[in-house]
Amino acid sequence: DQQVKQNSPSLSVQEGRISILNCDYTNSMFDYFLWYKKYPAEGPTFLISISSIKDKNEDGRFTVFLNKSAKHLSLHIVPSQPGDSAVYFCAAYPTDSWGKLQFGAGTQVVVTP
Amino acid sequence: KAGVTQTPRYLIKTRGQQVTLSCSPISGHRSVSWYQQTPGQGLQFLFEYFSETQRNKGNFPGRFSGRQFSNSRSEMNVSTLELGDSALYLCASSSPGQGAGSEQFFGPGTRLTVL
Repeated sequence: DQQVKQNSPSLSVQEGRISILNCDYTNSMFDYFLWYKKYPAEGPTFLISISSIKDKNEDGRFTVFLNKSAKHLSLHIVPSQPGDSAVYFCAAYPTDSWGKLQFGAGTQVVVTP
Repeated sequence: KAGVTQTPRYLIKTRGQQVTLSCSPISGHRSVSWYQQTPGQGLQFLFEYFSETQRNKGNFPGRFSGRQFSNSRSEMNVSTLELGDSALYLCASSSPGQGAGSEQFFGPGTRLTVL
């Protein structure tokens, strides 16, 4: 049962433009959300996180928005750069299982010149 | 600070064999989680250890087991290997605060191929 869903398997965006990645979740016990970036044959790299008590968190070019009522979060990357081409995973912790990250299926982002 | 390290990086085994993978967390991190990544299933949680105790477990058969040592290093073991166990096995460490989640930092993974 996939509790974290990334419905867009791929996204193509031009360099300099905004990339918007979406994530939906079904478990209302999720309390902490994270985005990871992954290159082939490497482990995921942490990008940015957000607690359920916030609706926005910003770190440089990356901003995560959380809409708890819709059980939806999104990651904005502005401006997109060629080095951003990677697979992006949305992940979440339930409050009763802090060590147990639930991952979405990932979105492959390709930034074109 | 050194990152999470995993050994070996690559492993080839045959069906029926067993395998042990090792993970050294970031210094000071006491929580270690293991994940399996396959093309069809994505990243699936295996188990999490904290202070030498298994705290959480995913939906994997009993052939998958793990342990954590007093220095927080962790090992996972897969017995009676099957072809479907071929995957990238990722270890992640974190330093959970009280009552809140925290970022998990991943190692480079061990690529296991079962022939």
